[in-house]
Amino acid sequence: NAGVTQTPKFQVLKTGQSMTLQCAQDMNHNSMYWYRQDPGMGLRLIYYSASEGTTDKGEVPNGYNVSRLNKREFSLRLESAAPSQTSVYFCASSERGGGPETQYFGPGTRLLVL
Amino acid sequence: EDKVVQSPLSLVVHEGDTVTLNCSYEVTNFRSLLWYKQEKKAPTFLFMLTSSGIEKKSGRLSSILDKKELFSILNITATQTGDSAIYLCAVKAGRRALTFGSGTRLQVQP
Repeated sequence: NAGVTQTPKFQVLKTGQSMTLQCAQDMNHNSMYWYRQDPGMGLRLIYYSASEGTTDKGEVPNGYNVSRLNKREFSLRLESAAPSQTSVYFCASSERGGGPETQYFGPGTRLLVL
Repeated sequence: EDKVVQSPLSLVVHEGDTVTLNCSYEVTNFRSLLWYKQEKKAPTFLFMLTSSGIEKKSGRLSSILDKKELFSILNITATQTGDSAIYLCAVKAGRRALTFGSGTRLQVQP
């Protein structure tokens, strides 16, 4: 039982390049989330998926797209990376999105955009 | 718009001290408040609070929620250097995803 896994752990991109961050969970959770964390800003929600087949924008969705590939996997895509997207990205999952819940986090992906 | 505010932003104490971290919130349709500890990587779950006045305790850490005054505190007694971390507060409201505060950075010096 690996929990929430993310790949890659670290990535350097040039401005304008694209990439996809992968996330998978093996806890049979319905809801999955993508956050970014910047110094002094806490965790900010980019997109989330309350259940398989649905996705919704969070607090800071601009410049990102997501795909809920199946119940296990939720990917985050940067189509044209910008230096402002330099951050640490965390994926999380929870059993369901509708009530009190604990979210379980992946180890994070550190992204540097030059 | 949901709002979660943590204070202080950072704190430096010595081993053995007791610290109190604060989290206040303004949300509609409150469901729960969660505390996380973040060291070098991902946040790890500490407590989830849903009811006022009921203290949750785990070793030297404890937390309580006041739904009337819209805040929670996280207490750490007899602090150790291993308690050094960022402590994050998050609130679950309605069916919306968690809203996080900016965190309190705690540094415990030997």
